[in-house]
Amino acid sequence: GEDVEQSLFREGDSSVINCTYTDSSSTYLYWYKQEPGAGLQLLTYIFSNMDMKQDQRLTVLLNKKDKHLSLRIADTQTGDSAIYFCAESIPGFQKLVFGTGTRLLVSP
Amino acid sequence: DADVTQTPRNRITKTGKRIMLECSQTKGHDRMYWYRQDPGLGLRLIYYSFDVKDINKGEISDGYSVSRQAQAKFSLSLESAIPNQTALYFCATSDQTGGYNEQFFGPGTRLTVL
Repeated sequence: GEDVEQSLFREGDSSVINCTYTDSSSTYLYWYKQEPGAGLQLLTYIFSNMDMKQDQRLTVLLNKKDKHLSLRIADTQTGDSAIYFCAESIPGFQKLVFGTGTRLLVSP
Repeated sequence: DADVTQTPRNRITKTGKRIMLECSQTKGHDRMYWYRQDPGLGLRLIYYSFDVKDINKGEISDGYSVSRQAQAKFSLSLESAIPNQTALYFCATSDQTGGYNEQFFGPGTRLTVL
C-alpha cells in the first residue's frame, strides 16, 4: 500500500495537520501521536460541542459542518516528528475509528 | 514498567504457520483491542473485548481469532498465516467513561509472513 501522507515543516514554524472524519454524530475527536518504533499515545482531544481547544503548544480546531479536524502545533520542534492519527468516538459503536495518519517531518 | 506489553516484538514466520501474539496490561482496564497498521491504511480494528466473557469482531477479523484469558490478557492468533498478514500489530486497552474513549497502546509487534 501507499505510505502515509507527509507534511514537512521547519523547526520553529507552526505546523498544521488536517483530518476529515467520517461520522457527524461523533462525540469526541482525538489526536494520537506515534513516534518511531512505538505505539500510539493520546496527544489531545476535543468534545464535539466545542470549536476550538488549546493545550499548551497544541490547538485543535473542529468544523462539524465539514467534518474537518485540524491540529496546529506552535513552535514545532524536531521531537514533534512522528505520525499523527485523528480518531473519533462514534455513538453506539463504543470503539474508536482511526484516520489513515499523517507523517510530520520537522527539519532543523 | 510499561502498562501495556506485547510479545513478541518482532516475528518472522512462514506461510501456513500458526502464530500467537500476546498482550498483557496492568492498567486494570476491562476493554482490550487488537489493531493492525499498514502503510497508508492507518489502524484497522481486528477484534475487541469489553470484558472476559465478551469478544467482538472488528472490521477485518477474517483469518484471525482471539482469546481473552483474563482481564489482563488478550491474545491474537493467526491460524494459518499468509503473506498479506504482514503488518504491525497493536494491542490497546481502555476504560471508557461515557463517550470518552482514551485508548492506551502497547509498543506493537512487527509480523512478517514469508
